[in-house]
Amino acid sequence: EVQLVESGGVVVQPGGSLRLSCAASGFTFNDYAMHWVRQAPGKGLEWVSLISWDGGSTYYADSVKGRFTISRDNSKNSLYLQMNSLRTEDTALYYCAKDKGLGVTPYYFDYWGQGTLVTVSS
Amino acid sequence: EIVMTQSPATLSVSPGERATLSCRASQSVSSNLAWYQQKPGQAPRLLIYGASTRATGIPARFSGSGSGTEFTLTISSLQSEDFAVYYCQQYNNWPNSFGQGTKLEIK
Repeated sequence: EVQLVESGGVVVQPGGSLRLSCAASGFTFNDYAMHWVRQAPGKGLEWVSLISWDGGSTYYADSVKGRFTISRDNSKNSLYLQMNSLRTEDTALYYCAKDKGLGVTPYYFDYWGQGTLVTVSS
Repeated sequence: EIVMTQSPATLSVSPGERATLSCRASQSVSSNLAWYQQKPGQAPRLLIYGASTRATGIPARFSGSGSGTEFTLTISSLQSEDFAVYYCQQYNNWPNSFGQGTKLEIK
């Protein structure tokens, strides 16, 4: 059974930093690209970032480019999101999602975690 | 970036009836279109990919159609557990982009 478990969400002040983690199990982690997708309270889904199966390629939404960094450790079956210079508009539930493919071409997300809540507030 | 527009924003349907949800892309996405279901307090769940292929374990009452810029998700006979928010997503171009969602509510 595929499982994705996010952690690291807390309340942080504007301008602060945070690192999210996602622990994956139930599939061969290093065979698939992985994503972060967020959902602001009461709002829709917003794609945030992608990392290819080997970590060699990364992509970011314009809204987070230059502030967020996605990474992965295939030896630990883990995905990360380093979030710097946080803004109030970054407040959201952050989901880790598994890509159907390697991350060479766009694909859909076949499994999602339950999310971790990041609140940016003074 | 490709903009995905879903309609209507809210759809009220009685249990047992058919529901039809629409999704339009600002440019062609071929058949690279997925649908997700999200219930309150839960993560999204993949329903349909490739515009019309049901994901594993998805009941046959869910069907998808369309290609290019116009897509439809049909739920043939609504069950109580189908009332949720539905999102379409294109994966033809980077970046992936979602529609704003359609809330399917009980009439």
